[in-house]
Amino acid sequence: DSGVTQTPKHLITATGQRVTLRCSPRSGDLSVYWYQQSLDQGLQFLIQYYNGEERAKGNILERFSAQQFPDLHSELNLSSLELGDSALYFCASSTGSGEKLFFGSGTQLSVL
Amino acid sequence: GESVGLHLPTLSVQEGDNSIINCAYSNSASDYFIWYKQESGKGPQFIIDIRSNMDKRQGQRVTVLLNKTVKHLSLQIAATQPGDSAVYFCAEPNQAGTALIFGKGTTLSVSS
Repeated sequence: DSGVTQTPKHLITATGQRVTLRCSPRSGDLSVYWYQQSLDQGLQFLIQYYNGEERAKGNILERFSAQQFPDLHSELNLSSLELGDSALYFCASSTGSGEKLFFGSGTQLSVL
Repeated sequence: GESVGLHLPTLSVQEGDNSIINCAYSNSASDYFIWYKQESGKGPQFIIDIRSNMDKRQGQRVTVLLNKTVKHLSLQIAATQPGDSAVYFCAEPNQAGTALIFGKGTTLSVSS
C-alpha cells in the first residue's frame, strides 16, 4: 500500500459528461501529480500541485482541470468527455518535486 | 527532446533465471533515474533509484546499472520469480525537474 488513495476505482460515463476524480496523498506529502495511462501513450504527466498551488503542467487538455485543497487532497476534473479520454488516471504524491513518486491504484475511466 | 525509451517491449524468462530490462534515455543532463514495477490492476510501485554520481546500486534481488556514456540504464532481477511478472518502467525527471517522465515499459513474463 503506497498510502495514496484514489476514488472511485472505476467510472463509466457518456460522451459530453463531466467527472471528478479524487486523490488523497500520503501523509506529509505536499506534492500531488496526475498522470494518464493509455495503451498507446503510456504514462503521461498531466499536472502537478505543490501545497495548494499549481507547480507544473504537462500534456493536460484544456477540458481538464485540477486543484489541490488546503487539506492537500486533490481533484481532477474532466469535462466534455470524449471516447479518447478513456484511460487509467493515476494520482501520485511526493514530498517535493522531481523525485520518486508514490502512486495510487488509479481510476479506470470508461467513456461510452 | 525528453524521452525515455526501452529496448524491448516484452521479456519472457523461466523462474529462477536472471532478468535484465534495459532503458535508453535521451537527456544527458539527467541526474536521477528510477525503476517502477506495475502489476495488473495496480499503480506503479517504486523499486529502486540511482543518481548520476553512481554507476551501480543494489537492492533486494535487484540491481540498477547506469552507463552515462551511452545513456543507458538497466534493471537486473536475480532469481526471477512468478511474482516478478509485471510491466517495468524506467523514469527520469523532466528538464524542469517538476515531474517524472516514463518510458513505455517492458512486460516481464515469468514462467514456472
